[in-house]
Amino acid sequence: DAGVTQSPTHLIKTRGQHVTLRCSPISGHKSVSWYQQVLGQGPQFIFQYYEKEERGRGNFPDRFSARQFPNYSSELNVNALLLGDSALYLCASSYLGTYEAFFGQGTRLTVV
Amino acid sequence: KQEVTQIPAALSVPEGENLVLNCSFTDSAIYNLQWFRQDPGKGLTSLLLIQSSQREQTSGRLNASLDKSSGRSTLYIAASQPGDSATYLCAGAGNSGNTPLVFGKGTRLSVIA
Repeated sequence: DAGVTQSPTHLIKTRGQHVTLRCSPISGHKSVSWYQQVLGQGPQFIFQYYEKEERGRGNFPDRFSARQFPNYSSELNVNALLLGDSALYLCASSYLGTYEAFFGQGTRLTVV
Repeated sequence: KQEVTQIPAALSVPEGENLVLNCSFTDSAIYNLQWFRQDPGKGLTSLLLIQSSQREQTSGRLNASLDKSSGRSTLYIAASQPGDSATYLCAGAGNSGNTPLVFGKGTRLSVIA
């Protein structure tokens, strides 16, 4: 079975630009969460979606938005990129019942 | 607000040694506790999940325990190998399993051959 897949794996953007990151959960998982991990820190929660509805939002500015599609895949959008948005963006999916989170390989975003 | 602390921040041991990684959390109303492994620049690999009603879990050379009353979890690695070198992260979910994970900063482990 395929794990959580994220695309792209690496991305370089210029300040002020917009970026879209994509995530496909494990088959059967309806919950998708996004995390940001800056170098040397643990991942920080950004969004959680379940059954296409936002179920939680972390302490991130409105420049960050996300959505979940009918097939449970998800997009994370970041507008007006800042240098401080450079990080590894991780997507996790989980199955309601066990709540064990499975993570993708991440998208490395570099803002220059 | 849940806060998770991992001690030590870094650890270097010779191959074959048994070791313990520590994780503490401030809010005992934790639903489950998950340990992850992260290789440099990579995503997180789930190692062990300790669910609400459990106190420990084992997988191969790994054993994790959870003591909610003291706000602590430990990850025990037996007979360490160079391939165990990675960053180990613990994360707790709140009083419902379907709540976001709160992570520690991790322990960077180096196993020297």
